Amino acid sequence: QVQLQQWGAGLLKPSETLSLTCAVYGGSFSGYYWSWIRQPPGKGLEWIGEINHSGSTNYNPSLKSRVTISVDTSKNQFSLKLSSVTAADTAVYYCARARELTGARYYYYMDVWGKGTTVTVSS
Amino acid sequence: SSELTQDPAVSVALGQTVRITCQGDSLRSYYASWYQQKPGQAPVLVIYGKNNRPSGIPDRFSGSSSGNTASLTITGAQAEDEADYYCNSRDSSGNGVVFGGGTKLTVL
Repeated sequence: QVQLQQWGAGLLKPSETLSLTCAVYGGSFSGYYWSWIRQPPGKGLEWIGEINHSGSTNYNPSLKSRVTISVDTSKNQFSLKLSSVTAADTAVYYCARARELTGARYYYYMDVWGKGTTVTVSS
Repeated sequence: SSELTQDPAVSVALGQTVRITCQGDSLRSYYASWYQQKPGQAPVLVIYGKNNRPSGIPDRFSGSSSGNTASLTITGAQAEDEADYYCNSRDSSGNGVVFGGGTKLTVL
């Protein structure tokens, strides 16, 4: 059974860079999109971006200028960096595995999630 | 549009049937996926594709779609179904990903 284990700094000061890593255990790294999602306190889910095993990325346009997602296939890990954080970046950050299936109609879903990392930005 | 729209809150009497809807242009091309999130926990996939349930999800959960609207139906809602529910798909460009704003389900 695939599991995602994530870690990273939980307390940052404004202007610092958020850095999180997610390790994939028990499954293949190829054939999926590896995603980052966040959830501010009391609010809904916001997609940050994704990467596939070959390193191709897609980012949320609202965060694109500050986000970098990278992959290390040798370690079955992928990482998120978000630069110049502010209090508005305070959230629980999740990593997730996503699948996309093509056909007459497309499937897209996130079937495995990490437990989440709480990140607080405060001076 | 790259947005998915959900009703903020829905309630259902214990044992009754409830439908949670999600609207968006991308749903004309993509099936919505649905996630259940309880307080302090990560989201859990409950429905994906045309009407597929991951292993371990009760069969009282089902999905359907028509045009630009996807629906999650819980037939015989249980107290443990009280949670936030989110829909999700690719956006209309096919490159990004969008979530609905979430629906808080209360089981009375």
